[in-house]
Amino acid sequence: DTEVTQTPKHLVMGMTNKKSLKCEQHMGHRAMYWYKQKAKKPPELMFVYSYEKLSINESVPSRFSPECPNSSLLNLHLHALQPEDSALYLCASSQTAGTGVYEQYFGPGTRLTVT
Amino acid sequence: AQRVTQPEKLLSVFKGAPVELKCNYSYSGSPELFWYVQYSRQRLQLLLRHISRESIKGFTADLNKGETSFHLKKPFAQEEDSAMYYCVLTSGTYKYIFGTGTRLKVLA
Repeated sequence: DTEVTQTPKHLVMGMTNKKSLKCEQHMGHRAMYWYKQKAKKPPELMFVYSYEKLSINESVPSRFSPECPNSSLLNLHLHALQPEDSALYLCASSQTAGTGVYEQYFGPGTRLTVT
Repeated sequence: AQRVTQPEKLLSVFKGAPVELKCNYSYSGSPELFWYVQYSRQRLQLLLRHISRESIKGFTADLNKGETSFHLKKPFAQEEDSAMYYCVLTSGTYKYIFGTGTRLKVLA
């Protein structure tokens, strides 16, 4: 299986809701990433997990809470979001950097709308 | 600071014409560079990486350290090449820096 899957495909939530985005891969990759992509813009890195530990947090507001429960799963918990958080949220995975640099495999994304 | 510049937001060419998508980078060390492509309604996917020196779907890209460039080229554009192309830089620290992207339109 060489795909990264993301659920749900679309999510509409109010500013007081709590929801979660899910990402899964079964390629044995030990690095997983969350990106945010606004319309007509490149993806912006949010978080990186390496061996299930948070390696990078790009100063993301605390209303976004990542979680990596095991090597195949990555969650993004959402709470008290703002309308400007509406975007496409992409998950990606790769082999760990180690002594090499590896390509990232991207999921199809979750289209989030905050009302 | 690491930075990737793609000067063209939109590039339109006719089918069969050569195409060059420009990418310049700013990085003081030894960069790893990629081109990613996003076709309509599809996920982002790797097109090629400089270290492999492959030709994928007829595209090639050469790293020019002197000019700090990694331009993507194809001698004869096809309609199915129409997509958004991103030049991506990383130093191997899990930070992948995307350029702003170039939308390629191949006209019939």
